[in-house]
Amino acid sequence: EVQLVESGGGLVQPGGSLRLSCSASGFSFSTRWMSWVRQAPGKGLEWVVNMKYDGSEISYVDSVRGRFTVSRDNAKNSLYLQMNSLRVDDTAVYYCVRMGSLEARRTADQWGLGTLVIVSS
Amino acid sequence: IQMTQSPSSVSASVGDRVTITCRASQGVSTWLAWYQQQPGRALKLLIYGASTLQSGVPSRFSGSGSGTDFTLTISSLQPEDFATYYCQQGGDFPYTFGQGTRLEIK
Repeated sequence: EVQLVESGGGLVQPGGSLRLSCSASGFSFSTRWMSWVRQAPGKGLEWVVNMKYDGSEISYVDSVRGRFTVSRDNAKNSLYLQMNSLRVDDTAVYYCVRMGSLEARRTADQWGLGTLVIVSS
Repeated sequence: IQMTQSPSSVSASVGDRVTITCRASQGVSTWLAWYQQQPGRALKLLIYGASTLQSGVPSRFSGSGSGTDFTLTISSLQPEDFATYYCQQGGDFPYTFGQGTRLEIK
């Protein structure tokens, strides 16, 4: 069974930093693109970043580029999101997502339950 | 690419047929997916490639369209189908979602 478990969320002040982690199991993590998608409270979904299975290709949405950094450790089956210079509008549930393969490669075929990040003074 | 879903909410009864539409601000070919979100559960991929059913998804769900106009149809609503549905385009990064359609019990 595929499992994606996020951790690291919490309350942080504007301008602060937070590091999210995602522990993956039940599939070959080192062969799959992974992503982070977020959802502000009561709002829709926003795709934040994609990362290729070997880390050689990364794409960020404009709103986080230069502030957020994605990384992965294939030996530990883990994905990370380092978030710096956090703003109030970064408040959201952050989902770790496995991207699909072949014809489904531009979709999120498995989702975690998310971790809540609240940016507030 | 902006994705616009309609309606934003719909009330329906068990057994009804429901159609949700999604329009892209520019063509995305068939790089279109549909997801279901229910409280307390992980989001679920229903359809990818505009019309291909994800493994394990009931056949009452179907998708169609290409270019800019897409539809998700649930042929006969079941109690477990009451949820929020999102479309997502994969034609260009950043991938973007529609604002969601909340399907409620009438």
